[in-house]
Order: sequence, then structure tokens, then C-alpha cells
Amino acid sequence: AQSVTQPDIHITVSEGASLELRCNYSYGATPYLFWYVQSPGQGLQLLLKYFSGDTLVQGIKGFEAEFKRSQSSFNLRKPSVHWSDAAEYFCAVGLNSGNTPLVFGKGTRLSVIA
Amino acid sequence: DSGVTQTPKHLITATGQRVTLRCSPRSGDLSVYWYQQSLDQGLQFLIQYYNGEERAKGNILERFSAQQFPDLHSELNLSSLELGDSALYFCASSAPRGSSYNSPLHFGNGTRLTVT
Repeated sequence: AQSVTQPDIHITVSEGASLELRCNYSYGATPYLFWYVQSPGQGLQLLLKYFSGDTLVQGIKGFEAEFKRSQSSFNLRKPSVHWSDAAEYFCAVGLNSGNTPLVFGKGTRLSVIA
Repeated sequence: DSGVTQTPKHLITATGQRVTLRCSPRSGDLSVYWYQQSLDQGLQFLIQYYNGEERAKGNILERFSAQQFPDLHSELNLSSLELGDSALYFCASSAPRGSSYNSPLHFGNGTRLTVT
């Protein structure tokens, strides 16, 4: 069965600093990969997705992620963090068969300090 | 706004009781998913419906059941509630009619269930 690991439970960065959130997945084939963000009291909002093609994908709010098949990773990056980026970030993997449930990592909580 | 509507936003009830959570998917989406989010377990997939039919089952307890109606809204029924059922319950939808790829899930804002 597929699984997703987000090794960092909590990360603190300074406003304006760069950010990288790690995600590793376990799956036999090339999965569909997603990053979602959850602000307190809110649902999950899709940041970006990878289905195929260019391994560097751009998302909303200035985020990007890079799919590295050799490392089974899909790390999320942002060059300059804003205080409003403080939230919980979830990496998720879906089967390559269409309209199937996503398996989520445990999440990484991002704190931003001045 | 994801377009997915969940009601109620909050629910407080006692152990042993039964509750119903409701979800209206995004307009045109055929698939509905239910997830449970708790601090210790993270986001756990419960069940998926596609155009009224059960499509996939996850870690859903026998005390829980769901259905998707002809108008595509869905309800999650939780019975014989226990303290450990306290969690955020999310509904998500995907699969716009006519789509042929794994469309992303769009989540509602959840129902926070507190069992006392």
C-alpha cells in the first residue's frame, strides 16, 4: 500500500527566508502527488499537483514542488516566506488510476517568526 | 471557497448518541470522500462514493455509515458515539462530470464533532 512520510513535524522559519518542506512517498508506480495547506479552523486548500511531465510544478501563493523519482520525493519550496504562510502543510499521494482516495502524510506545521 | 459545503460546522453530543453530517459537493463533481482528522491519527480516509455508488472503503468503523443521494450530496452517519470519535470530519469532492483524469480533491471546511 502506498504511504507518505513527512519527516518534519514542526518547522520555524524567519519571514523572508526560504522554505523547503520534505515529502517522501512509497508506491510501486508513478503516483499522482499533491500538496495541501490547512489554516487553523479551515479545510484543506490545494497548493499544487503533479500528474506527469515537467517535474518542477508551480502552485499558488508562490509555492513550487519538485518530483524526484530516484528519491521518491516531492518537496515543497518557497523562496521567501510570508507571515501568512504559517499553517499546516500536507503532502498526499493518489493512485495512478483516476478518482481514487488520497493518502496523506501526517503534516508539517510551519511557524513564521519576524 | 472550495465550493464544498459541510453542515453543521460544530456538533457537541454525548456518548452513545447518533449524529449525521452532511456534505454538498462542488457543482458537477460526482465523487465524494469522507476523511477523519484527529491529532494522533492525522487525516484518515473513511469512504468514497462515486455517482451514488460506494467506490472505496478505508478505515471506517462499523458504527459509521454513509450514503450519496441522487442529487450527489452525501451524509455520514456516526452512531453509538464514543469519546474517541471526537475529531474533525472532512468531506471532499472531485471528478467533474466528463473528466477523464485524476482530478484533485476539493475539501470543505469540516465538521468539528465533540463527544462528551
